[in-house]
Order: sequence, then C-alpha cells, then structure tokens
Amino acid sequence: GDSVTQMEGPVTLSEEAFLTINCTYTATGYPSLFWYVQYPGEGLQLLLKATKADDKGSNKGFEATYRKETTSFHLEKGSVQVSDSAVYFCALSSSGSARQLTFGSGTQLTVLP
Amino acid sequence: NAGVTQTPKFRILKIGQSMTLQCAQDMNHNYMYWYRQDPGMGLKLIYYSVGAGITDKGEVPNGYNVSRSTTEDFPLRLELAAPSQTSVYFCASSTQGDSNQPQHFGDGTRLSIL
Repeated sequence: GDSVTQMEGPVTLSEEAFLTINCTYTATGYPSLFWYVQYPGEGLQLLLKATKADDKGSNKGFEATYRKETTSFHLEKGSVQVSDSAVYFCALSSSGSARQLTFGSGTQLTVLP
Repeated sequence: NAGVTQTPKFRILKIGQSMTLQCAQDMNHNYMYWYRQDPGMGLKLIYYSVGAGITDKGEVPNGYNVSRSTTEDFPLRLELAAPSQTSVYFCASSTQGDSNQPQHFGDGTRLSIL
C-alpha cells in the first residue's frame, strides 16, 4: 500500500537558518503530494501541494518539488522565523475514489530567536 | 466562514463509557474523514464518507462507528471506551473532484480514557 517516510525530528534551528525536511513516498500510480502544518493546539492546515512530476509547490517562503525519479517531496525554506515553529506533515493522496490521505509521522520544528 | 467545526474540544471518559464526537462542515463538501493522531505519529484514518448515506472503514476502524445522514454532519461514536482510544481526533472534509483537492481540518478533540 501507499506509505510516506518523513525525516525524524525534532529539528531545532536558529532564526534565519535554512530548513530542509526530507520526505519520500511509496505509491502506485500518480499521487498528489502535500505538506500540512500543525500549530500548537490547532488542526492541520495545507501549506503547499504538487499534483504531478516536476511541479513545485510554494507558500509563505516554503517550497517543495515533486521528484518522481527519487519519489521525494522535500520541504525547504531559505530563512526560517520563530513563527514557523510547528509540526510539519508530508502526505500523499491516492487516486482512489475516496481521495484518502496517507501521512508521514510528522516533524517537529522549533525555531529559536 | 466556520469551515470544519468539532465538538467537544476536550473530554475525559471512564473505561466502558460511550460518547459521540461531533463534526460539522459548512462548505458543502461531499467527502468527510475521521482521523486519530497519537503522540509522535502521523494521522491514521478511522472512517470516511463520500456522501450522505455512504460510509466506509479506514485503516483503524475497530471500536468506532460513524453515520452520515446529512452532507454537513459526520459524527464519530465510541461505544465502549478503552484506554487505547486515548488520542486526538481530527475531522476533515474535501470537495469532490481530483485527488489534488486538499482536505480541510477541524481543530481536533482531545480525548482521554481513564
């Protein structure tokens, strides 16, 4: 079945540092890929998405590129802020009728001032 | 625009008690989902629905039941609460269409079984 493997956390960075959170996936067919972010005490919010190979999703300075050859969707940001502290989830959506999401285990990011 | 609303936000149950977690969305979405999130883990799908009157099991359905009598509401019921059901529960919805449509999540219900 489908699966998502995410970089182990937690990750602690200083403000303005470069961020990479690795994500690789296993899926049949051509899934859509997502990054969701969860702030403390809140539900998940869509951060960015990519629907086909070589697509780049971007939002709020975050970027991720759909790499079919390496089955990866790594999240990057050039300069993190304290307000980026959250848990980040990589997910894929299968092409089945229910549009189910398969999630990675999440990566806790803490950004220090 | 309320989006996905979950109630209650917190609840403590005793072993063997029952309760219903409520979920409502005002976006006219056909697809609705229930997930549980255990510490340090990703979300696991409990049940989902592709429209009113239609429900199906996800990855971890044991100990839960759902119904979908209207497009807006998708309650999750625990009949005999067990400590293993201590978790944070999230409801989500999405519009019908391609798999690139994102899911919209509620703020979650934190449930403890003692």
